[in-house]
Amino acid sequence: DAEITQSPRHKITETGRQVTLACHQTWNHNNMFWYRQDLGHGLRLIHYSYGVQDTNKGEVSDGYSVSRSNTEDLPLTLESAASSQTSVYFCASSESRESSGNEQFFGPGTRLTVL
Amino acid sequence: GQNIDQPTEMTATEGAIVQINCTYQTSGFNGLFWYQQHAGEAPTFLSYNVLDGLEEKGRFSSFLSRSKGYSYLLLKELQMKDSASYLCAVRDWLTGGGNKLTFGTGTQLKVEL
Repeated sequence: DAEITQSPRHKITETGRQVTLACHQTWNHNNMFWYRQDLGHGLRLIHYSYGVQDTNKGEVSDGYSVSRSNTEDLPLTLESAASSQTSVYFCASSESRESSGNEQFFGPGTRLTVL
Repeated sequence: GQNIDQPTEMTATEGAIVQINCTYQTSGFNGLFWYQQHAGEAPTFLSYNVLDGLEEKGRFSSFLSRSKGYSYLLLKELQMKDSASYLCAVRDWLTGGGNKLTFGTGTQLKVEL
């Protein structure tokens, strides 16, 4: 069955370190998204991609970067981790067509703690 | 930008009906989604509305009024397992198109005996 996976599921790191969170989907979806979820803020979009070599900034992109070298993967990198980036991170994917619902399918999430 | 409002918390009784409201403001509306999220888990898709009216899916129904910027999620015959956060999300043509969604902060529903 097609799925979307994230790794690691839990990560503890120190301020200033570079961290990369992996996202892999086997749906063959062109669209992929990264969100963070914090109490009181809901899901906020960090970066998104509509296809290979395409990346776009979301609402809260400062301090994060992504790259899309193939359809299946969209890794999220925190260049220099800060305590404000302690959060739960969700990756999602969806089909490209906009004429129908095209709901986003979410990965299981990564809980990141920056000390 | 977009503004999406939902109540923060609601409590209802097992077997009852509950309505969770969502209001939004957007210039290029292109669909509204409802997701369910249990504690510690990923959001899962419940429903999609792009035209006015009611969409029914078993115990769950979702309503949309585009002129009022208003939607609701109706849950019937509530079960304990329906205790979760319910997220309203809007898709907008003007914010980059594609399937980018803006989410509300979610409504935490507690179902009691």
